[in-house]
Amino acid sequence: DTAVSQTPKYLVTQMGNDKSIKCEQNLGHDTMYWYKQDSKKFLKIMFSYNNKELIINETVPNRFSPKSPDKAHLNLHINSLELGDSAVYFCASSQEGYNEQFFGPGTRLTVL
Amino acid sequence: QKEVEQNSGPLSVPEGAIASLNCTYSDRGSQSFFWYRQYSGKSPELIMFIYSNGDKEDGRFTAQLNKASQYVSLLIRDSQPSDSATYLCAGRRDSSYKLIFGSGTRLLVRP
Repeated sequence: DTAVSQTPKYLVTQMGNDKSIKCEQNLGHDTMYWYKQDSKKFLKIMFSYNNKELIINETVPNRFSPKSPDKAHLNLHINSLELGDSAVYFCASSQEGYNEQFFGPGTRLTVL
Repeated sequence: QKEVEQNSGPLSVPEGAIASLNCTYSDRGSQSFFWYRQYSGKSPELIMFIYSNGDKEDGRFTAQLNKASQYVSLLIRDSQPSDSATYLCAGRRDSSYKLIFGSGTRLLVRP
């Protein structure tokens, strides 16, 4: 069973479109994260939810909006996509009080 | 200045050698440090974490932390070709969920 899953795995779209990425974890964790990894492998936190509450909201364009319908799901919606949004987006989860963050397989977003 | 800095590499070592990966950080409030391994096209996976000054060993891996020098390292003994990957160093403040990652060091282990 996959611990942290993301859909889709690949996403190719045109500039200006709106797209969503979905993430689910079956580990029973209470905290979920969105990271962006650029072409130089730099992995940067974007958002985090703990028990459905937004606890980390880094300086990202407001075109990016996370939503957590429940503890096991965290989605990322991106409006008006730009070329610079092309990256791999990773979802991760962890349990409060434990150190390890478990990463999903990533979604490679390409904006043309 | 980036908060967590790593040499991008590649660091090339022969099979069986010790690979030494280094990381420096600027935030003195960072208390815990993590080493993740990321194979090409895959997601990061945790190898080790360390929060006390000194060494921490786990199998072929040893993490070292020197808070006075703001320096973290990962030693891989008896390097194998399967260790070839990008190694990401990350720091975290106490009571924070936020990991600050370096840009990673690419390790190549030559057979």
